[in-house]
Amino acid sequence: GAVVSQHPSWVICKSGTSVKIECRSLDFQATTMFWYRQFPKQSLMLMATSNEGSKATYEQGVEKDKFLINHASLTLSTLTVTSAHPEDSSFYICSARTPRRGPQETQYFGPGTRLLVL
Amino acid sequence: AQKITQTQPGMFVQEKEAVTLDCTYDTSDQSYGLFWYKQPSSGEMIFLIYQGSYDEQNATEGRYSLNFQKARKSANLVISASQLGDSAMYFCAMRSNNAGNMLTFGGGTRLMVKP
Repeated sequence: GAVVSQHPSWVICKSGTSVKIECRSLDFQATTMFWYRQFPKQSLMLMATSNEGSKATYEQGVEKDKFLINHASLTLSTLTVTSAHPEDSSFYICSARTPRRGPQETQYFGPGTRLLVL
Repeated sequence: AQKITQTQPGMFVQEKEAVTLDCTYDTSDQSYGLFWYKQPSSGEMIFLIYQGSYDEQNATEGRYSLNFQKARKSANLVISASQLGDSAMYFCAMRSNNAGNMLTFGGGTRLMVKP
């Protein structure tokens, strides 16, 4: 299957700092990437849809000024958690939509980034 | 709006036996896709199997098969010959082909395979 990477895999930071997470599609071009957040023992919750060359679409309740998304190229989307606070501690996962359209379209997920804000 | 329900928060299965993980969905769309993902403790989401709403045959991928009952709006995952490495969280997800192609996830089922 397609390969999606995330960097870093682990982040521990002090409250008030900003953290940037990168999501890369390694062997295909992804015009659309998705960012999810997963709290312990819970399901994935979609935060935003990242479209190459345009503004991200945020889900209801997600602060766009706090979670900055930049999809500058067809293989890279970044999520920046600005002025992180302990309640932002979570597992952040990105996915990239394969170029193939139609019924067989699939999202492939990155390995995730664990963020711990002290 | 789409909704995915997984009613089994946790399940045990004996190694080498088959297990069925339940998934029901609710949508008013005619065209949609159903997915199952496996999430081991490492956190990565591993794509397992896909079923399209217009597919007449149940999808199969190795030891995984999807029992698709469209009238009941269910898409249960069947894992045959369970292995210890199958212990993980399993998520059912639905993609509406009319709603930006985003995925909606169920709450997940934790499967534990006993030796």
